[in-house]
Amino acid sequence: GQNIDQPTEMTATEGAIVQINCTYQTSGFNGLFWYQQHAGEAPTFLSYNVLDGLEEKGRFSSFLSRSKGYSYLLLKELQMKDSASYLCAVRDHTGGFKTIFGAGTRLFVKA
Amino acid sequence: GAGVSQTPSNKVTEKGKYVELRCDPISGHTALYWYRQSLGQGPEFLIYFQGTGAADDSGLPNDRFFAVRPEGSVSTLKIQRTERGDSAMYLCASSARTDNEQFFGPGTRLTVL
Repeated sequence: GQNIDQPTEMTATEGAIVQINCTYQTSGFNGLFWYQQHAGEAPTFLSYNVLDGLEEKGRFSSFLSRSKGYSYLLLKELQMKDSASYLCAVRDHTGGFKTIFGAGTRLFVKA
Repeated sequence: GAGVSQTPSNKVTEKGKYVELRCDPISGHTALYWYRQSLGQGPEFLIYFQGTGAADDSGLPNDRFFAVRPEGSVSTLKIQRTERGDSAMYLCASSARTDNEQFFGPGTRLTVL
């Protein structure tokens, strides 16, 4: 089966850097996604990793280690609008191409 | 261009009734996904279409749930004999290919009384 773990909540200060970790177990790993979801809204895509290493996109970076079943999302120069849930999701090709989401990490950015 | 749209935005029904939820994907997107999300949880995979066929329906919780995509575009999620536990936000997403990012619609909030 599949399992995704990420912290439930995190708090950080405006202008700071925060790292949100995600560990996963899956039999047919085929890529890892990070999505942002503001309260009451649909998730929006942030990043995609399928190979080991760091992918950087503006203030957001995502890292993947397939051997460790581990990823993190790094947010730099935090802004108040970054307060949201951050969802780690793994695509699994066992029997199909389903995407399994973690429960999400609620990030609170304080002034 | 237009994003993913879902109708209705809200649906209130009584226990035991039948409901249909509609999803219009982004034009040209061949992959379509249905998810269910409860408060404080991540989206729960239900079913995935590639074109007209259901490529993976392993997430459908039981045989009261069924989804179709007859022409490879619009999809309908059908729930028979609704139960209070079916109350959730139902999200639809589409992507250009299976390895691409998914674009989510605004969701349908289903409430079963």
